[in-house]
Amino acid sequence: QKEVEQNSGPLSVPEGAIASLNCTYSDRGSQSFFWYRQYSGKSPELIMFIYSNGDKEDGRFTAQLNKASQYVSLLIRDSQPSDSATYLCAVTPSNTGKLIFGQGTTLQVKP
Amino acid sequence: EAEVAQSPRYKITEKSQAVAFWCDPISGHATLYWYRQILGQGPELLVQFQDESVVDDSQLPKDRFSAERLKGVDSTLKIQPAELGDSAMYLCASSFRINYGYTFGSGTRLTVV
Repeated sequence: QKEVEQNSGPLSVPEGAIASLNCTYSDRGSQSFFWYRQYSGKSPELIMFIYSNGDKEDGRFTAQLNKASQYVSLLIRDSQPSDSATYLCAVTPSNTGKLIFGQGTTLQVKP
Repeated sequence: EAEVAQSPRYKITEKSQAVAFWCDPISGHATLYWYRQILGQGPELLVQFQDESVVDDSQLPKDRFSAERLKGVDSTLKIQPAELGDSAMYLCASSFRINYGYTFGSGTRLTVV
């Protein structure tokens, strides 16, 4: 079992719709959870982080964490073509300072 | 906005040659990371430094890869000899504090021919 798992996609949504990206992790002691956006040929860019169970909202983005289910998600409201990218979920396992990344989910927002 | 500097942006090298990448983290960031990202996959940690000390290099192929951060500031990652399977994006990242998330540099795209 991979430490961090994501559906590679592609996930295709129409412009203006809600995109839902999901991630599961294996280390129950994981403490911090991050979402990075990566455009083709570019480096990852941090867009959200969440530490506690529940929802965290930042503009059009909402991160959701459920530690009991070992599940973290990212919702993008009013999706725009500029949101088309690969979204990487990353987790800090217990007692480490490193990030473990999933393989990423490719999102395509169609005009 | 402060950035993590990496060079070169692109590198083409022949198999069995040596290659080196350089990274200068954001000022004041004590933690520095080198990741490798193969096309279509997520980044994989190669080595983690805290100041000048290696914290984690469990995934670094030590027979051919080496990394150093002599003064606890900038860092160099070396591959010798390069193999075809080393073709990837090499990403450097730094963090002010552990668990605060990283800032990535622009990366070095390595092609081994």
